[in-house]
Amino acid sequence: GESVGLHLPTLSVQEGDNSIINCAYSNSASDYFIWYKQESGKGPQFIIDIRSNMDKRQGQRVTVLLNKTVKHLSLQIAATQPGDSAVYFCAEYAGNMLTFGGGTRLMVKP
Amino acid sequence: GAVVSQHPSRVICKSGTSVKIECRSLDFQATTMFWYRQFPKQSLMLMATSNEGSKATYEQGVEKDKFLINHASLTLSTLTVTSAHPEDSSFYICSALKGGGTGELFFGEGSRLTVL
Repeated sequence: GESVGLHLPTLSVQEGDNSIINCAYSNSASDYFIWYKQESGKGPQFIIDIRSNMDKRQGQRVTVLLNKTVKHLSLQIAATQPGDSAVYFCAEYAGNMLTFGGGTRLMVKP
Repeated sequence: GAVVSQHPSRVICKSGTSVKIECRSLDFQATTMFWYRQFPKQSLMLMATSNEGSKATYEQGVEKDKFLINHASLTLSTLTVTSAHPEDSSFYICSALKGGGTGELFFGEGSRLTVL
């Protein structure tokens, strides 16, 4: 079936640098996307969301970009901090069901 | 903000016993809750969708008699792992949907099950 896909890479960035985490999705009918942050041993935390009628949405230090043409979603974290170290998942909404991508581990080097 | 409480956070049990995990929405009513399973270094896998007052909808490959889900009230859903075996050891996470349609989803902190 269709799925949100994200190989599981590890992104290592220097503290203070910007981070970009990418996600590809395959269900063209999905109209709502979310980024979650999951710290070790904890449940996912909502970071930011975007609906398909938008291309960009900004939060505090985070920006989500949506490219529906190529079914691509990205999360940008400005001035990355050690507390940003975690696994980040993108997810798509289809009806009431949320489907997660594979996750990216972000490691912030001091 | 909305809070979802999951209990217990860690449980160790002997093979063959049953374990119940609770998921509570503390400050909102959740007609729909979801149960996920997560293996180390992997994404969350949806196990079932729990709707208040009705039977849960299980994903393909998830044994409904093995993983019993009860959503008896608008603030509580339970997952019971029956006759647990070591291969059931995993991190189980619940989430609760606030509002209808694409309402915001809130996650519990997860429950680490270890079956000896």
